[in-house]
Amino acid sequence: DVKVTQSSRYLVKRTGEKVFLECVQDMDHENMFWYRQDPGLGLRLIYFSYDVKMKEKGDIPEGYSVSREKKERFSLILESASTNQTSMYLCASSFGLGNYNEQFFGPGTRLTVL
Amino acid sequence: AQSVTQLGSHVSVSEGALVLLRCNYSSSVPPYLFWYVQYPNQGLQLLLKYTTGATLVKGINGFEAEFKKSETSFHLTKPSAHMSDAAEYFCAVSALASGTYKYIFGTGTRLKVLA
Repeated sequence: DVKVTQSSRYLVKRTGEKVFLECVQDMDHENMFWYRQDPGLGLRLIYFSYDVKMKEKGDIPEGYSVSREKKERFSLILESASTNQTSMYLCASSFGLGNYNEQFFGPGTRLTVL
Repeated sequence: AQSVTQLGSHVSVSEGALVLLRCNYSSSVPPYLFWYVQYPNQGLQLLLKYTTGATLVKGINGFEAEFKKSETSFHLTKPSAHMSDAAEYFCAVSALASGTYKYIFGTGTRLKVLA
């Protein structure tokens, strides 16, 4: 079974803090994704990566950065957390050269910024 | 540009009744279509997918969906709802645009099953 794990299920941070969300997949997938999920808005893509050290902006990259130093690990960084970044963050991975395959999701991190 | 629309953010059905969750997409090229389910406090997991070939696709837990190109729809159905089907369901489309595949999720439909 494909496993996508996220470093925390729940996280509470203060405004202005630097926040790291970690994601690890164990199936040698090429593609990895970070989404945020908000009620009524569905999943919105923040960043994705199709190879080590490669990254592409998604639909809402402002206020976020990412890092992919190893194939299995994809990190999301909030440089200076703000209250409007309170959300559920979902990591996903998929195999193949094109973004047309099934995505495998982690359990999510519910981030609250106070 | 491609898009996906899920009609109805909340749907309630009685246990044993038919489940119908609607999904319409917009794409100028043949799309890949997916349905995912999200149970409370979990990530999404794939229910079924359409790539090519047979337009009626069967998935896990008794769900199925039919790709209707003429109607640009990919509605999800299950003949008889079970309490354990209560969850949020997301339709997704992936299609080639400007040389890359863009993967878009709908806004979700929360299914409630009444005893």
